Amino acid sequence: DIQMTQSPSSLSASVGDRVTITCRASQSISNYLNWYQQKPGKVPKVLIYAASSLQSGVPSRFSGSGSGTDFTLTINGLQPEDFATYYCQQSYTTHLTFGGGTKVEIK
Amino acid sequence: EVQLVESGGGLVPPGGSLRLSCAAFGFTFSDHYMDWVRQAPGKGLEWVGRTRNRANGYTTEYAASVKGRFTVSRDDSKNSLYLQMNSLKTEDTAVYFCVRESMGSYVWFDPWGQGTLVTVSS
Repeated sequence: DIQMTQSPSSLSASVGDRVTITCRASQSISNYLNWYQQKPGKVPKVLIYAASSLQSGVPSRFSGSGSGTDFTLTINGLQPEDFATYYCQQSYTTHLTFGGGTKVEIK
Repeated sequence: EVQLVESGGGLVPPGGSLRLSCAAFGFTFSDHYMDWVRQAPGKGLEWVGRTRNRANGYTTEYAASVKGRFTVSRDDSKNSLYLQMNSLKTEDTAVYFCVRESMGSYVWFDPWGQGTLVTVSS
């Protein structure tokens, strides 16, 4: 199976900050990469698919980029409701593996 | 409203069995591939397995960690997805989510059910 590695595993940031989370695949996955947000006690919600396509209803401060093995999720102007754990997921193979998650906490 | 509702979780001893169910509402269930994803307490997300739709032979796939012990099935007439879990281990303790795969070249999971907790303990 393709291994997905996220960094950092956690970060502290302030409201208004620009936050960048990275995700690396163990082999090339083209742009078959999704990003999810999970708030405490809630189910995950898809933010971005196909590496850079914003899911309907997701604020434009979220953006994704990358292809091949290296990807980033950027939050421009962190809002209070953005404090959550973020997961990447590859959909290049039929075993859709997730990264380990990045917890974004309040500084 | 598109919705997935899981049931069937509970406490089971190691080596035991449990069957989870997921009821689907608000979309054409038979068209979609459906999956199970789990999340151990305080841990990340782990894909468990999938069933394809009728057009693709209802074929299934599994994560290595559950292959041979878990079985994903579906009943399109009841708009329902199932996960039969046998030979359960303590490391199978998790919240199990039912998810719908998007259709098309790019696949993602949406929506997610609310999850059902499975605890494997003596």
